[in-house]
Amino acid sequence: AQSVTQLDSHVSVSEGTPVLLRCNYSSSYSPSLFWYVQHPNKGLQLLLKYTSAATLVKGINGFEAEFKKSETSFHLTKPSAHMSDAAEYFCVVTPRSGGYQKVTFGTGTKLQVIP
Amino acid sequence: EAGVTQFPSHSVIEKGQTVTLRCDPISGHDNLYWYRRVMGKEIKFLLHFVKESKQDESGMPNNRFLAERTGGTYSTLKVQPAELEDSGVYFCASSQGQGPYEQYFGPGTRLTVT
Repeated sequence: AQSVTQLDSHVSVSEGTPVLLRCNYSSSYSPSLFWYVQHPNKGLQLLLKYTSAATLVKGINGFEAEFKKSETSFHLTKPSAHMSDAAEYFCVVTPRSGGYQKVTFGTGTKLQVIP
Repeated sequence: EAGVTQFPSHSVIEKGQTVTLRCDPISGHDNLYWYRRVMGKEIKFLLHFVKESKQDESGMPNNRFLAERTGGTYSTLKVQPAELEDSGVYFCASSQGQGPYEQYFGPGTRLTVT
């Protein structure tokens, strides 16, 4: 079994300040973890993924996330928010091994960036 | 490379009517997935095709939902008859293999049942 908890449904930051979107997971298997972003009227776009290599993962648009097994967390960060970062973000977990993948989504965090 | 496309982008129907949603995956992707997000809740898995075969349909809510993938290419999701609680955004995704590959998502179809 697996689950994902996104701790904040809404986050508001000022442009140029750091972004932190929190995600905790539970999984009976070694997990792969992903962050997706959805801009209005667009499909979900992959930001970054952790599959078993380096625990600090860098993604697109300056985002990164750190896999912390001891804390069962995979928080998403960005040093400086840009107006274009305003969107909804989803943390996703899936079993790493085995031939079949079944993803579990978090409930999403809406990021607001204030000019 | 064309992404995953879905049609229509929006659909408004009355309770009891039938609606068919279509998904065209990325060419060459054997795996196709349907998901649904209801009223701002989490996105939930509906089913998974490998080519034309249903690998897992454990997320399908009831027998009013019928998914097909003819010839292993595009897929349709039919809701018949539609109920109010079927309203939501239906996402389709595709991936190359069955491993920790990222799934490529379409923009979704927003279904409103009135």
